[in-house]
Amino acid sequence: EVQLVQSGAEVNKPGESLKISCKASGYSFTNYWIAWVRQMPGKGLEWMGIIYPGDSDTRYSPSFQGQVTISVDKSISTAYLQWTTLKASDTAVYYCARVATWIHQYFFDFWGQGTLITVSS
Amino acid sequence: DIQMTQSPSSLSASVGDRVTITCRAGQSISSYLNWYQQKPGKAPKLLIYAASSLQSGVPSRFSGSGSGTDFTLTISSLQPEDFATYYCQQSYSTLYTFGQGTKLEI
Repeated sequence: EVQLVQSGAEVNKPGESLKISCKASGYSFTNYWIAWVRQMPGKGLEWMGIIYPGDSDTRYSPSFQGQVTISVDKSISTAYLQWTTLKASDTAVYYCARVATWIHQYFFDFWGQGTLITVSS
Repeated sequence: DIQMTQSPSSLSASVGDRVTITCRAGQSISSYLNWYQQKPGKAPKLLIYAASSLQSGVPSRFSGSGSGTDFTLTISSLQPEDFATYYCQQSYSTLYTFGQGTKLEI
């Protein structure tokens, strides 16, 4: 059974650093891209970036380039999303998702449960 | 970025109704269009990929159509569990942009 299990909710202060995780199981981790998606309170879904665990090839949305870093640790089938300097506007739920492919089509077929990040002084 | 625009933003309907949600792309995206359902406090769930392919396990009352710039998601007979927010997403470019969502309410 494919599962993506994310780390728990966090409460942080502006200026702090943070790294959240997404642990995959039930499939070959290195063969599928992993995406990160932001959902701000009461808002829609925003694609942040993707990473290919096989070679760590990473692509970012221009809106998030330079604001976050996406990485993986293949040895433990885990993807990460990190911030060096959190802002109040980073308050949101963050989802990881597996990117499936089918005849050059790409879609997010399995999702983590989401990690709520609250940034407040 | 390829802009994705959904209409309507919200929709009131009743159990048993046939409902159609529209998604328009800012440029032609062929059939590179996916649909997701999200219920409050839950992760999104894939319904349709490649514009019209039903994801495994998704009820057949859901269907998708369209190509180029105009796409539709149709629910043939609304069930109580279908009241949720629906998002389209393009995968023509690797920026994978989502529409703003359509909230389906009773």
